[in-house]
Amino acid sequence: ETGVTQSPTHLIKTRGQQVTLRCSSQSGHNTVSWYQQALGQGPQFIFQYYREEENGRGNFPPRFSGLQFPNYSSELNVNALELDDSALYLCASSLKTLAGVGTDTQYFGPGTRLTVL
Amino acid sequence: AQKITQTQPGMFVQEKEAVTLDCTYDTSDPSYGLFWYKQPSSGEMIFLIYQGSYDQQNATEGRYSLNFQKARKSANLVISASQLGDSAMYFCAMREGSNDYKLSFGAGTTVTVRA
Repeated sequence: ETGVTQSPTHLIKTRGQQVTLRCSSQSGHNTVSWYQQALGQGPQFIFQYYREEENGRGNFPPRFSGLQFPNYSSELNVNALELDDSALYLCASSLKTLAGVGTDTQYFGPGTRLTVL
Repeated sequence: AQKITQTQPGMFVQEKEAVTLDCTYDTSDPSYGLFWYKQPSSGEMIFLIYQGSYDQQNATEGRYSLNFQKARKSANLVISASQLGDSAMYFCAMREGSNDYKLSFGAGTTVTVRA
């Protein structure tokens, strides 16, 4: 158990709808990263939030957006859902230190499986 | 270009034997970290082991060891004394110093442990 939780576990939406996925980070961690994992593939980085600001972004369109709250929990929002958005969405928390030392190992939650019909 | 290459889509191993999972990486950044994760059918990504580019010794964590060959840009995972619970998908991932906010994952290797 990593202490990273995600909700909901499963979600079914229709094309064009909007969805919000939630993540609670491990105690003591200040950084949350989101990944999309299509079936049979490795996870793809969506974006990372550190101190409530986006700290880096992968190759995803602007309809993928996020938030980080003062307690370091985070949301991933996807607008105008497309069929290709069907995937497992993984949240990972880590501790980013100002000194930049350490591994910044990312610890993952159980994921939210999104199906777009 | 692929940052992480895992060439073995699937492997079978007998219980109690060792198995080596291959991983090669591509980066020009002198500072990077290499990670291995295990993903059972439940979906959760479980951190196994980490190797930093400046680490002199190969990393070990219990039954997991990382065979780090920097000149070859390879970071193979060795699982010793395989157990039935080791059956899962295994992913190699890299974090580069210049883009230290993200992990780049390979396509994964499925390991099936036979009794």
